[in-house]
Amino acid sequence: EVQLVQSGAEVKKPGESLKISCKGSGYSFTSYWIAWVRQMPGKGLEWMGIIYPGDSDTRYSPSFRGQVTISVDKSISTAYLQWSSLKASDTATYFCARSNYDYIWGTGGYFDYWGQGARVTVSS
Amino acid sequence: EIVMTQSPATLSVSPGETATLSCRASQGVGSNVAWYQQKPGQAPRLLIYGASTRATGIPARFSGGGSGTEFTLTIGSLQSEDFAVYHCQQYNKWPLWTFGQGTKVEI
Repeated sequence: EVQLVQSGAEVKKPGESLKISCKGSGYSFTSYWIAWVRQMPGKGLEWMGIIYPGDSDTRYSPSFRGQVTISVDKSISTAYLQWSSLKASDTATYFCARSNYDYIWGTGGYFDYWGQGARVTVSS
Repeated sequence: EIVMTQSPATLSVSPGETATLSCRASQGVGSNVAWYQQKPGQAPRLLIYGASTRATGIPARFSGGGSGTEFTLTIGSLQSEDFAVYHCQQYNKWPLWTFGQGTKVEI
């Protein structure tokens, strides 16, 4: 069974750092892209960026480039999303999701499995 | 950036009726559109990809259509478990994928 299991909820203060995780199982972790998606309270979904665990190729949405860092440790089938200095506006639920995107053919860019979400609250 | 605009923001329907949701892309995206269902407190669930292909396990009452800039998700004979928020997503422009703002289907 394919599963993406995320780390738990976090409560942080502005200026603090944070790294949340997403562990994949039940499939070949290095053969699928892992994306991160933000959902602010009561709002829609925002695509933040994506990483290919096989070679760590990473792409960011212009809206999030420089604001977060996406990384992976393929030895433990885990992807990460991290902040060096959180802001109150980072308060949101963050989802990881799997994609079978083939950028040569331009196919498969949808998300077939999702993590359960990690709620991040940033407040002084 | 390709902007995906969903309408209406909220759709009020009765059980057993048909709901039609729209998603418009600011530029052509071929058939590279997916639809997701999200219930409160849950992760999104893939319903449709390639504009019209149902994902594994999705009931036939869910159907998608369209190409280019106009897309629709139709839910036939709405059941109680279908009341949720629905999101569209384009994946035509790598790596600048974008979602719509969502349509809430309520009783």
